[in-house]
Amino acid sequence: TQLLEQSPQFLSIQEGENLTVYCNSSSVFSSLQWYRQEPGEGPVLLVTVVTGGEVKKLKRLTFQFGDARKDSSLHITAAQPGDTGLYLCAGAGLGGAGSYQLTFGKGTKLSVIP
Amino acid sequence: DSGVTQTPKHLITATGQRVTLRCSPRSGDLSVYWYQQSLDQGLQFLIQYYNGEERAKGNILERFSAQQFPDLHSELNLSSLELGDSALYFCASTGGGSGANVLTFGAGSRLTVL
Repeated sequence: TQLLEQSPQFLSIQEGENLTVYCNSSSVFSSLQWYRQEPGEGPVLLVTVVTGGEVKKLKRLTFQFGDARKDSSLHITAAQPGDTGLYLCAGAGLGGAGSYQLTFGKGTKLSVIP
Repeated sequence: DSGVTQTPKHLITATGQRVTLRCSPRSGDLSVYWYQQSLDQGLQFLIQYYNGEERAKGNILERFSAQQFPDLHSELNLSSLELGDSALYFCASTGGGSGANVLTFGAGSRLTVL
């Protein structure tokens, strides 16, 4: 069974601060996705990283996929209250044609205080 | 609005009862996935259907069953409910081709078993 560990589990910071959340596994993934989930809503895809060492930027969010494709990080610069939410990483297994199964971490709950 | 519709949004029932959750995928999407989200387990993959046929099974209990109908909507049936079945149940859909790796989630159905 592939497991994804996310840390920290909870994070409360002041507006304007920077933060990094981590997603680690002992398994290799073909790709890794980051989602954000707000209360009462389903997860919404932020980014997909595919290549080991890949870095993607989405405005103030920077996503990195580890060289060995086992881990990933999400860095937020100058956090805003609108960044508040549950951040989930999800790994896609190797193989399994025809079925795109994701293994989700338990998430990092971020609160950005104005 | 993600385009994936789930009903009901909230459901309260008693132990031993049976409920049906419904999902209409995004227009054009052939695959439907069901996930269960609880506080301690995070998002757990239950089952996937593709164009009416079961494609993959995850951690789905024998008391649970699902199907996808010719119009592509899907239903998740939960029977002999237990307190531990209280959770958010999400449906997600994916398109074919280049969109096969992008899960679009509905807003979820919150089930409370008393």
